[in-house]
Amino acid sequence: DFVMTQSPDSLAVSLGERATINCKSSQSVLYNSNNKNYLAWYQQKPGQPPKLLIYWASTRESGVPDRFSGSGSGTDFTLTISSLQAEDVAAYYCHQYYTTPYTFGQGTKLEIK
Amino acid sequence: EVQLVESGGGLVQPGGSLRLSCAASGFTISDYWMSWVRQAPGKGLEWVANIKQDGSEKYYADSVKGRFTISRDNAKNSLYLQMNSLRAEDTALYYCARLSTDRLRSVVGFDYWGQGTLVTVSS
Repeated sequence: DFVMTQSPDSLAVSLGERATINCKSSQSVLYNSNNKNYLAWYQQKPGQPPKLLIYWASTRESGVPDRFSGSGSGTDFTLTISSLQAEDVAAYYCHQYYTTPYTFGQGTKLEIK
Repeated sequence: EVQLVESGGGLVQPGGSLRLSCAASGFTISDYWMSWVRQAPGKGLEWVANIKQDGSEKYYADSVKGRFTISRDNAKNSLYLQMNSLRAEDTALYYCARLSTDRLRSVVGFDYWGQGTLVTVSS
């Protein structure tokens, strides 16, 4: 199975500052035939279901603010929030959909400093 | 508006069974792979099962294989999860989720989720 490991487990960032969350896969999620990374990022606020933010490692879902960006390839990925807003307080999860069993990272809890 | 509404959760004894349902509206489920994803209290997300548009392919997490069965009724625009031989470690909020595809019909992740239905396995 693909093991997804996020770092850090929790993060406190000041409003307006940059937040960076990392995700490492135990195996490459890059599909060579189409050169796409089968990696998504989700945001989950307390009491709510997850929300898709990023897919193909770097493509923003429709309606997601452009302060959210994804990068990386192969086994190492990053979610960046360029200027933290109060409404960004949430848990964030990476997810590989390269193959079943689909797997998620353990989550990173983002708070305001 | 796309909506997914789960039902059927509750308290069940170890070894018991439950059948979860997910009623979809605002789109036609026959166009999409559909999934169940669960989240134990205070924990992270765990994928449970996928089912293809016509029900011809199903995939399961090892933790539920042989005990859970995913199914769908496209005529009723509904998804189901039959859960047998339930264990304490199956206690979780169970989400129904739609697998989105891009314009080339490649899966890109879960774009819509229900609010979840809570399953508690305890004596």
